[in-house]
Amino acid sequence: ETGVTQSPTHLIKTRGQQVTLRCSSQSGHNTVSWYQQALGQGPQFIFQYYREEENGRGNFPPRFSGLQFPNYSSELNVNALELDDSALYLCASSSGLAGGPGELFFGEGSRLTVL
Amino acid sequence: KQEVTQIPAALSVPEGENLVLNCSFTDSAIYNLQWFRQDPGKGLTSLLLIQSSQREQTSGRLNASLDKSSGRSTLYIAASQPGDSATYLCAVMNSGYSTLTFGKGTMLLVSP
Repeated sequence: ETGVTQSPTHLIKTRGQQVTLRCSSQSGHNTVSWYQQALGQGPQFIFQYYREEENGRGNFPPRFSGLQFPNYSSELNVNALELDDSALYLCASSSGLAGGPGELFFGEGSRLTVL
Repeated sequence: KQEVTQIPAALSVPEGENLVLNCSFTDSAIYNLQWFRQDPGKGLTSLLLIQSSQREQTSGRLNASLDKSSGRSTLYIAASQPGDSATYLCAVMNSGYSTLTFGKGTMLLVSP
């Protein structure tokens, strides 16, 4: 059973650019959620996808968008990058919703630095 | 809106001590509570998951308790080791959702 994998692990962008982060969910999991963790803070919920549909969103602006693919992998896209977008972006997968929320399993994260 | 608070923010202990990390949450209508470990610059490793109907869970030297009515959970680490040094995060999942609300974590340093 493979775990949650994220890519890239580290990347540096400049203000105003766009970035795409990728996540492969754990085998058998149909729900993917994304979290942003600023330095010294707990992770903050960005949004969640279940069977290719967004079904929950935290307090993040529309320039944060995502996709989930038929194989349940997912992308997080951020447009018009700002300095405050510098953070660790965490992807989590679970087998929830149909039978109730399940345990979330996290990847190692993608560290984004915006200069 | 659910809020999660963890106390203390940082803790430094000598090896071998037993210790307790505290977590409190404002909305008791939770589905479950998870404790995670995070090493510097790394992702989250799930340590223990307690369903709302449970009172505690144990794994090795770790024991987590849950008092849903009072909005509190504790993580007990027995016989601490330098390898336990990390940040410990508490997160709750509210009923009706499958997303987590996290505390800011407790940074633990266990010295030899």
